[in-house]
Amino acid sequence: AQTVTQSQPEMSVQEAETVTLSCTYDTSESDYYLFWYKQPPSRQMILVIRQEAYKQQNATENRFSVNFQKAAKSFSLKISDSQLGDAAMYFCAYRSGGAGSYQLTFGKGTKLSVIP
Amino acid sequence: ETGVTQSPTHLIKTRGQQVTLRCSSQSGHNTVSWYQQALGQGPQFIFQYYREEENGRGNFPPRFSGLQFPNYSSELNVNALELDDSALYLCASSTGQGGNTEAFFGQGTRLTVV
Repeated sequence: AQTVTQSQPEMSVQEAETVTLSCTYDTSESDYYLFWYKQPPSRQMILVIRQEAYKQQNATENRFSVNFQKAAKSFSLKISDSQLGDAAMYFCAYRSGGAGSYQLTFGKGTKLSVIP
Repeated sequence: ETGVTQSPTHLIKTRGQQVTLRCSSQSGHNTVSWYQQALGQGPQFIFQYYREEENGRGNFPPRFSGLQFPNYSSELNVNALELDDSALYLCASSTGQGGNTEAFFGQGTRLTVV
């Protein structure tokens, strides 16, 4: 079974600064996808960024980028120019790439605070 | 705005009772998944429905059951409620079953069992 570990229960960052959230995962599969989700107080999970394991290039979405290290099974999220609206719980998630794959396996999350 | 809506938003039930939670998936989505998120934890996969049939299940007992209707809306039913069932229940819909398919989440139903 796949597992996802987020070792930082809480992080804080000054507004306009950069912060990196860590995630490691364990799998024996070679085909899979990784995701970062944001969950604000409204509770709705919002997809921030995704990475296909077969792509060597790190995904980027505006101020959000990942550092995907496949051999180390590491998938960190970097948030640049942090904004007050970035304050939320962030969850790293794994999904198998096999046929019929469906479930997302989530880590326990990191609570990010943004200091004005 | 994702278009996935869940009802009710909050619910209080007594141990031993039964509860039904509802999810209206985003237009055009034929797949619905349910997750349980206990306080301070990440969501745990309960099951998934694709075109009205359950096609995947996590490590949850049979008292957790579901339905998907022809319009692809869905229900999660929990029988014989236990105190540990208190959690946020999230519904997610998508156009496919996995891989790179993006899952769109609703705002969840907060269930409290007393």
